[in-house]
Amino acid sequence: EAQVTQNPRYLITVTGKKLTVTCSQNMNHEYMSWYRQDPGLGLRQIYYSMNVEVTDKGDVPEGYKVSRKEKRNFPLILESPSPNQTSLYFCASSSTPPTVSNQPQHFGDGTRLSIL
Amino acid sequence: ILNVEQSPQSLHVQEGDSTNFTCSFPSSNFYALHWYRWETAKSPEALFVMTLNGDEKKKGRISATLNTKEGYSYLYIKGSQPEDSATYLCAPSNGNFGNEKLTFGTGTRLTIIP
Repeated sequence: EAQVTQNPRYLITVTGKKLTVTCSQNMNHEYMSWYRQDPGLGLRQIYYSMNVEVTDKGDVPEGYKVSRKEKRNFPLILESPSPNQTSLYFCASSSTPPTVSNQPQHFGDGTRLSIL
Repeated sequence: ILNVEQSPQSLHVQEGDSTNFTCSFPSSNFYALHWYRWETAKSPEALFVMTLNGDEKKKGRISATLNTKEGYSYLYIKGSQPEDSATYLCAPSNGNFGNEKLTFGTGTRLTIIP
């Protein structure tokens, strides 16, 4: 089954404790992306990746890092989490960038992070 | 950042009634418009990708139209059912290589009243 898998689904942690949210897709997609969703603000793109070793900033990259060492994986890293990063996070993938194609994105089930 | 507006922000509709809502976007450098449906506690799911001015797409009771010259798209739901309750998101793109950021609107939250 074609899917995007995020882990963990839920995490409560404390300020400053490094954490990683994993994302994996099994569709051989080139484009992957991370979004955060906050009430009243919709989905905002954090980082995206066009392919292995190619990543770029979205609209809200501050406080986040990503890596793309393999095509299927695109982890989101919070080196020193702060309470303003408490949010619902989604990973998504598509065969080609949605901005220059008619290919839709496939979304993971989301990760709810609470930073105390 | 592309300026994307969706209206209304929220909508309550009686079961069986039809409804529609709007996504507005810059008409210059338009390439495609994506519509997604997002049910609470689930992940966003693609509804339509529209590229041509005047295009109309349909999926069951849901349809969408596109006007690229004036920069808007309408999403219509005919004979609303409780399972249509969701947030509907749009995301336009300008087709610029070298800038593959995707900007979503804040969504229209639709609640169907049984």
